[in-house]
This record gives sequence, C-alpha cells and structure tokens, in this order.
Amino acid sequence: AQSVTQLDSHVSVSEGTPVLLRCNYSSSYSPSLFWYVQHPNKGLQLLLKYTSAATLVKGINGFEAEFKKSETSFHLTKPSAHMSDAAEYFCVVSQRYNQGGKLIFGQGTELSVKP
Amino acid sequence: SQTIHQWPATLVQPVGSPLSLECTVEGTSNPNLYWYRQAAGRGLQLLFYSVGIGQISSEVPQNLSASRPQDRQFILSSKKLLLSDSGFYLCAWSPGLAGYNEQFFGPGTRLTVL
Repeated sequence: AQSVTQLDSHVSVSEGTPVLLRCNYSSSYSPSLFWYVQHPNKGLQLLLKYTSAATLVKGINGFEAEFKKSETSFHLTKPSAHMSDAAEYFCVVSQRYNQGGKLIFGQGTELSVKP
Repeated sequence: SQTIHQWPATLVQPVGSPLSLECTVEGTSNPNLYWYRQAAGRGLQLLFYSVGIGQISSEVPQNLSASRPQDRQFILSSKKLLLSDSGFYLCAWSPGLAGYNEQFFGPGTRLTVL
C-alpha cells in the first residue's frame, strides 16, 4: 500500500527567505514521487518529479526536492520565496508501472508569503 | 504540444438536476484520463479513470458516472445532483505508457449545487 503525509497544513514565510515543505511517503515498491502546485481556482501544475534517477531533483521556478530513502522523505525547498509562490502544494506518490497510473495525493500544504 | 480543456469553468445547478462536464485532450493519443473532485479545503479524490475508449474504472461509489466516447474525450455525468456533489472537478491525462505516470491537469470546473 502507498500513502503520503504532508507534515504541515500551512506554512508561512517572508519574501526572500527559504521555503521548506515537508513530505513523508510510504510505498512497498520503488515509488515515483511528485510535487504539484495549485493556485486558487486553478488546475494543478507539475513542479518536479523523482523517478529513480538523481536523488536531488530540480523543478520549475527554483524549487527542488531531495529523495531520501532512509528517511522516506521527499521535502520541497526553495532558497528564496517570492510572492508568486503563495499557493497550495501537493506531494504525490505513485507506484511505477501501476495499472492505470494512479496517483496518491497528500492533503496539501498552503504556503503563505509575507511581504 | 499537449493541451487539456475543461468546460464549463463554473456551474451553478439546483439539487436534482442533471450534470455533464466535458474534458478533451489535444496533441496526444491513447492517453489515460482521470476525473478528480476537490472539496473545499481538502485534497484530491480520484473519482474515475480510463485507460481506453469505453473503459471506465470507478474509485468510489457515488452519484456520478463517467464515459469515454472518443479517445481524447472524457465526460462526467449525473442524473440527479446532490448538495454533496459541490466542489472543484479536475480532469487530468497521462501518457499511458508503463512507468510514465505524471499527470497533467486541466483548469477545472467549479460546481455549486444549491
């Protein structure tokens, strides 16, 4: 069985400071891991994905995430927050090669960025 | 490049009325297609997925149904809406190839049932 836990429902940072959004996963098989971002009343946009290549994954808009198998974590980071980063972020796990390509979503972390 | 469309963008319907939401994908063939619902302040719930024309898998028992009449068209329907059907409905597609399972989402439909 697979599951994903986002450890913070809400994170607030000041513009220009680092961002850390935490995610732990559980998977019986080699997982694929993703981070998606959702701005209000919009669809989800893929930020980055891990599929067993490099453990440090770089995504769009300056975000990156590190896959740590020993800690079953896939935390999302950004060195310097921008006002436009304020949004909902979802950590997602999937078993590679699973039938139908289904994804398991975390409950989301709302990121607020203060000026 | 691939694009995914959903319509309508917003919808207000009375309880007991029918529903039809449409999703189409351009620029790819044989995609996997998905319908999700996102209730206010909550995560995404997978409702249906389809790996081919006429092939629909339901994830949760509910008041809704889905159909895939064409390769790149996915329709979400209901005969009689309930208040609990309100939410943000998202369609998504993935390449459908083994091992490539990132999904790409449409802009969503905001449904309010009164």
